[in-house]
Amino acid sequence: DGGITQSPKYLFRKEGQNVTLSCEQNLNHDAMYWYRQDPGQGLRLIYYSQIVNDFQKGDIAEGYSVSREKKESFPLTVTSAQKNPTAFYLCASRNEAGLPTEAFFGQGTRLTVV
Amino acid sequence: GDSVTQMEGPVTLSEEAFLTINCTYTATGYPSLFWYVQYPGEGLQLLLKATKADDKGSNKGFEATYRKETTSFHLEKGSVQVSDSAVYFCALSPSYNTDKLIFGTGTRLQVFP
Repeated sequence: DGGITQSPKYLFRKEGQNVTLSCEQNLNHDAMYWYRQDPGQGLRLIYYSQIVNDFQKGDIAEGYSVSREKKESFPLTVTSAQKNPTAFYLCASRNEAGLPTEAFFGQGTRLTVV
Repeated sequence: GDSVTQMEGPVTLSEEAFLTINCTYTATGYPSLFWYVQYPGEGLQLLLKATKADDKGSNKGFEATYRKETTSFHLEKGSVQVSDSAVYFCALSPSYNTDKLIFGTGTRLQVFP
């Protein structure tokens, strides 16, 4: 079945470590997104990509990095520069960049700093 | 900048009660508007959408009308069920950059039998 797969579902990180969250989609969608969800703050956009080898910063990009080497993959790295990384991270994709189409979301990755 | 404001939750209702979750927006031009639902431990799913003024989106008994004059997109359902318990997010896609999706803070709905 088509969809978006995020892995792992739970991730624990020690302070000072970089970690990479995986996001893969087989929907052939052009645009992909990373959001961070914190209690009481809704979803905040970290990065998004409209096409392979191109991406744009969202509202809270500091301390994060992404790559888009393949259309189906959009991994997010949480670097040690991110001061408060504990959160629920959601990846999404949309078809046909430039149109207000439905966004499909993955199941999320819950990252905890220990 | 563009933004979405939702009523704070939780909204607590008995089964078969009428539901309204308020959503207002600030945006230039004519954004597209969405309601997404998030069940516990899961990602978001599109519930309904409207892309121009006076459009009504509907799905699974939920409805919302795009009101340009009041910059609102309130979510309604005539008779809620326990299975509707979830967090509901209002979102907009700006007309100047349709690749962006801007979300409200979410409203938790709790329905009791």
